[in-house]
Amino acid sequence: GAVVSQHPSRVICKSGTSVKIECRSLDFQATTMFWYRQFPKQSLMLMATSNEGSKATYEQGVEKDKFLINHASLTLSTLTVTSAHPEDSSFYICSAPEGYEQYFGPGTRLTVT
Amino acid sequence: SQQGEEDPQALSIQEGENATMNCSYKTSINNLQWYRQNSGRGLVHLILIRSNEREKHSGRLRVTLDTSKKSSSLLITASRAADTASYFCATSYAGNTPLVFGKGTRLSVIA
Repeated sequence: GAVVSQHPSRVICKSGTSVKIECRSLDFQATTMFWYRQFPKQSLMLMATSNEGSKATYEQGVEKDKFLINHASLTLSTLTVTSAHPEDSSFYICSAPEGYEQYFGPGTRLTVT
Repeated sequence: SQQGEEDPQALSIQEGENATMNCSYKTSINNLQWYRQNSGRGLVHLILIRSNEREKHSGRLRVTLDTSKKSSSLLITASRAADTASYFCATSYAGNTPLVFGKGTRLSVIA
């Protein structure tokens, strides 16, 4: 099956700093990618839809100025958590659809101290 | 918004027993998928069942789908300790759309 990678897998940062997470489709092109967030012992919640060549669309309650998404190419989407705070600590997972299949990245564990 | 509801929220069984998890959803779907997630790890895709299918098997997994009741079940037969994980259903109403995840069932299989 298709492969989606994420980098980094884990990151610890200080409160107030920014963190960039990369999501890459390795063997297929993805004009759309999705970003999800998962808090401990909870399910995955869609944060935003990343669209190649256009603006991302955000789910209700997700601040677009705090979670910056850039889909610069057909294989790369980035999520930047700006001015991170401890409440942003979470597991961030991206996915890319190919047809009716969704391929998930392995996730990025963000800890903000 | 999250539309899937799973029950039970937590399930603890002995090794060798069968585990059944249920999922309900609210809107029309194109397909329903089940995923496994080990603690702190990424998602593992288990099985996809399309809206025009009623049952699907994959190894020790059996999935049913009842679109009239908007519900699905996942049966794991002859469970093993390695099956201990959280299981999520996720629905899709069309290709190229995000998945909507249920709240998940935490399965513990005791050796």
